[in-house]
Amino acid sequence: EVQLVESGGGLIQPGGSLRLSCAVSGFTVNSNYMSWVRQAPGKGLEWVSAIYSGGSTYYADSEKGRFTISRDNSKNTLYLQMNSLRAEDTAVYYCARDSPYADWGQGTLVTVSS
Amino acid sequence: DIQMTQSPSTLSASVGDRVTITCRASQSISSWLAWYQQKPGKAPKLLIYKASSLESGVPSRISGSGSGTEFTLTISSLQPDDFATYYCQQYKSYQYTFGQGTKLESK
Repeated sequence: EVQLVESGGGLIQPGGSLRLSCAVSGFTVNSNYMSWVRQAPGKGLEWVSAIYSGGSTYYADSEKGRFTISRDNSKNTLYLQMNSLRAEDTAVYYCARDSPYADWGQGTLVTVSS
Repeated sequence: DIQMTQSPSTLSASVGDRVTITCRASQSISSWLAWYQQKPGKAPKLLIYKASSLESGVPSRISGSGSGTEFTLTISSLQPDDFATYYCQQYKSYQYTFGQGTKLESK
């Protein structure tokens, strides 16, 4: 059974850093196209970043230079390192598999506030 | 970036109605379009991929059509479980983008 479980969210001050994790099972993270998608409270879905099975990475323009997507094949886990966080980064962050997104995690809430 | 525009933003309908949601792309995306359904507090669920292919397990009253820049999602006979928010997404470019969503509510 395919499962994706996000963790690492929480309350963080503006300018801070946070690393989100997405532990997967039922498939290998390095053989799939993996993405991060976020949803601000009461708002729509926003694509954040993706990593191809070959290792190429892509980012939304607003996150370029601040966010880094990576994976650890030995832990079968996807990561999103988020730096210089802003209030507008407050959202539920989902990891998702495949293209388009056939499988999603349950999401982890990131709140950026002083 | 490819911009995706959905209409309407909100749609009021009754059980048994036929409803259609439209999604327009700012440039041609061929058939690289997906539709998702999201209920409050839950992750989105894939309904349609490649504009018109039904994801496994999705009821056949849901269908998608279109290509190029204009696409539609149709529910032929609305059921109580269908009241939710629907999003289109293009996956032609490296930077995938979503429409702003259509909330389907009970009239």
